Amino acid sequence: GQNIDQPTEMTATEGAIVQINCTYQTSGFNGLFWYQQHAGEAPTFLSYNVLDGLEEKGRFSSFLSRSKGYSYLLLKELQMKDSASYLCAVRFTGGGNKLTFGTGTQLKVEL
Amino acid sequence: EAEVAQSPRYKITEKSQAVAFWCDPISGHATLYWYRQILGQGPELLVQFQDESVVDDSQLPKDRFSAERLKGVDSTLKIQPAELGDSAMYLCASSLGVQSGYTFGSGTRLTVV
Repeated sequence: GQNIDQPTEMTATEGAIVQINCTYQTSGFNGLFWYQQHAGEAPTFLSYNVLDGLEEKGRFSSFLSRSKGYSYLLLKELQMKDSASYLCAVRFTGGGNKLTFGTGTQLKVEL
Repeated sequence: EAEVAQSPRYKITEKSQAVAFWCDPISGHATLYWYRQILGQGPELLVQFQDESVVDDSQLPKDRFSAERLKGVDSTLKIQPAELGDSAMYLCASSLGVQSGYTFGSGTRLTVV
């Protein structure tokens, strides 16, 4: 199968740093996406990785290791508005740009 | 900023009734996707269109679901008859091509009672 695994829930403190991990099957890998989804709303694009390494975009960074089938999303200087579900999605070759999503990590930011 | 339009935003229907959702992708986006997201889970692809052609509908329950994109622009997803297990968020997304990122619409929250 093409299981995408990520933790179900995480809790962190405002102003802190949190890392959300995602693992996936390496066979046929063709790109990894991170989306943010607030309750009742549509997913919004955060980052895209297809090569190994770190992509930084403001307070958000995403890392990829293709050989390990591993990615993480790093959120710095956490704000209350960052409380949301974070979805890891992988594109596999032969899938016609179909994305396979993980179940999402529900992040709760506390004071 | 260009958006993917979806309607209705919310829909409550009785089981065994028919229901339809509409999506208008970003202008110029050839690829359109319908995803279903059950509460607490990630989105799952139901159908993918390239222009007016279906590229992938392997996960579409074809006994009750149908989708069309007749002129290669907007699209309609229909369920008939609706079942209690169809309660979910139905998300439409579009992209320029088969290697491009997605933009999602706001979704239709369906409740079947």
